[in-house]
Amino acid sequence: QKEVEQDPGPLSVPEGAIVSLNCTYSNSAFQYFMWYRQYSRKGPELLMYTYSSGNKEDGRFTAQVDKSSKYISLFIRDSQPSDSATYLCANLSGSARQLTFGSGTQLTVLP
Amino acid sequence: GAVVSQHPSWVICKSGTSVKIECRSLDFQATTMFWYRQFPKQSLMLMATSNEGSKATYEQGVEKDKFLINHASLTLSTLTVTSAHPEDSSFYICSATPGGTRSNQPQHFGDGTRLSIL
Repeated sequence: QKEVEQDPGPLSVPEGAIVSLNCTYSNSAFQYFMWYRQYSRKGPELLMYTYSSGNKEDGRFTAQVDKSSKYISLFIRDSQPSDSATYLCANLSGSARQLTFGSGTQLTVLP
Repeated sequence: GAVVSQHPSWVICKSGTSVKIECRSLDFQATTMFWYRQFPKQSLMLMATSNEGSKATYEQGVEKDKFLINHASLTLSTLTVTSAHPEDSSFYICSATPGGTRSNQPQHFGDGTRLSIL
């Protein structure tokens, strides 16, 4: 079993839709949770970073962490075609602070 | 803030050539940088952790003599793919964290280097 499971999609939604992206993890030692957005042939771009259960909002993006069920989510409101990308969840673990990535979800927002 | 610059963005070269990729933290010092490899439609695979002033730590299965890492300053790490062959063609991405290995800050990534070996 992978430490971080993420539905690879692809996910296709109409412009303006609310998008829900989800990951589950198995390692209770994970303390820090991130969402990255990666456009084709570019490096991942940090979207959200949180370390506690609950919600964190930044503009149209909301990250949700439920440590009791080991479940993390990213919600995108009023989705735009420019949101079309691959979204990667990532957790921090270990003394070397190595990231553990999900497999990524490919999102397409149709105009 | 927390900008990581990677150069070059794209390299095409003949088999047997050695290729050097640079990763720079532009507005912060990074005692630790990470090197990843990514194949099409796959997630990032950690290759090695680069430590300033000491030897890099390689992940299992990554040949340290093939992928030479040098982290000579707090803002620069280099990855050299020695005697590259077509199977080394991939997307190489570096990242850095402000504050070093014990930092809880998230990693920031460069824009990647697309390496094509003919």
